[in-house]
Amino acid sequence: NAGVTQTPKFQVLKTGQSMTLQCAQDMNHEYMSWYRQDPGMGLRLIHYSVGAGITDQGEVPNGYNVSRSTTEDFPLRLLSAAPSQTSVYFCASSYSDRSTDTQYFGPGTRLTVL
Amino acid sequence: SQKIEQNSEALNIQEGKTATLTCNYTNYSPAYLQWYRQDPGRGPVFLLLIRENEKEKRKERLKVTFDTTLKQSLFHITASQPADSATYLCALDSSGTYKYIFGTGTRLKVLA
Repeated sequence: NAGVTQTPKFQVLKTGQSMTLQCAQDMNHEYMSWYRQDPGMGLRLIHYSVGAGITDQGEVPNGYNVSRSTTEDFPLRLLSAAPSQTSVYFCASSYSDRSTDTQYFGPGTRLTVL
Repeated sequence: SQKIEQNSEALNIQEGKTATLTCNYTNYSPAYLQWYRQDPGRGPVFLLLIRENEKEKRKERLKVTFDTTLKQSLFHITASQPADSATYLCALDSSGTYKYIFGTGTRLKVLA
């Protein structure tokens, strides 16, 4: 199993540009989520999904869109990038909604918005 | 307001000693608390989960305690090794939902 994969690893955008961060998992996990990690702030939940076709907002959803058309993929879209979105983005997945389940994290995407 | 606090200062210890990391929280009533390890440039890796009705959980050289009265979890690494050097994150569930709230992490450095 490849686990959770994310592309790209690094990205530089100009203010106002849009892009999609890709996330895929091959473990047949129902739950997937997106976090951002900033210095001194810890991981903050952006959006999450409990299964194909179902998504919900996390702690910091503004400026981001998600969709979940398949169990495997959970892309994160930045509609109009802002410097405040400069961060490291992590995708995670787990089997179910039970809080006992381990979250498996991807390697991250480092995004810089100029 | 709700808050999770981990010591933001790096913890340096000598190889072979026991490292103890602290996770304090306020205005939460978590049913579960997890600890993760994160190496530079990589995603977090799950280590241990402890439930609110469990006082202590062990896995090899790792031990976690959970005191819901003090609102605190302690994470211990016994016989620490340089390979244990990393940032350690605690995370707790928010009101029994899937939404986990993470602390900012404590950087541990084990000196040979």
